[in-house]
Amino acid sequence: EDQVTQSPEALRLQEGESSSLNCSYTVSGLRGLFWYRQDPGKGPEFLFTLYSAGEEKEKERLKATLTKKESFLHITAPKPEDSATYLCAVQAGSSASKIIFGSGTRLSIRP
Amino acid sequence: ETGVTQTPRHLVMGMTNKKSLKCEQHLGHNAMYWYKQSAKKPLELMFVYSLEERVENNSVPSRFSPECPNSSHLFLHLHTLQPEDSALYLCASSMYHRKEQPQHFGDGTRLSIL
Repeated sequence: EDQVTQSPEALRLQEGESSSLNCSYTVSGLRGLFWYRQDPGKGPEFLFTLYSAGEEKEKERLKATLTKKESFLHITAPKPEDSATYLCAVQAGSSASKIIFGSGTRLSIRP
Repeated sequence: ETGVTQTPRHLVMGMTNKKSLKCEQHLGHNAMYWYKQSAKKPLELMFVYSLEERVENNSVPSRFSPECPNSSHLFLHLHTLQPEDSALYLCASSMYHRKEQPQHFGDGTRLSIL
């Protein structure tokens, strides 16, 4: 069964304390993996797309990586404004018609 | 106005009411989506429209009825809903469906069923 699992469910960090969020997936025919950020009361906001194992993307304090089984979102020296829920989604299938989201990681950065 | 706009932002309705959610995108995209987001559960894809044609319907109860009159507008008609239908309903768009492209989301309609 196709599945996307994110861990941890919640993460509290001190400002400046680097860490990583995990997204593991079990799907047939991965076409793309997406990371989104969602703030309370808002819709998800696109961050990155990764297409193949070994690929990396960076944006400010965030860096996303992809292997054949999982993706990591590394956050370096986070600030309070990085507090949000981070969602992982995969698009898969021979016709790329499957879109499966994980449950998200709630990240809280304390000043 | 840019992006994806959803109205209303909040909706409270009884189980016997009929209401509609509206979504409008100003991005020139060809695919539009409805998602349901419940607390502590992953986003659930409900419907997909590509070039105004419904291409995906993921076992959604018939009390939810989508409509896509053109590539910029998407509606979700609601009738005889159940308490478990209370959730955040998100609309999204992308340039094409079945291409590995990111989706752009609206801020959702928070639906409460009494």
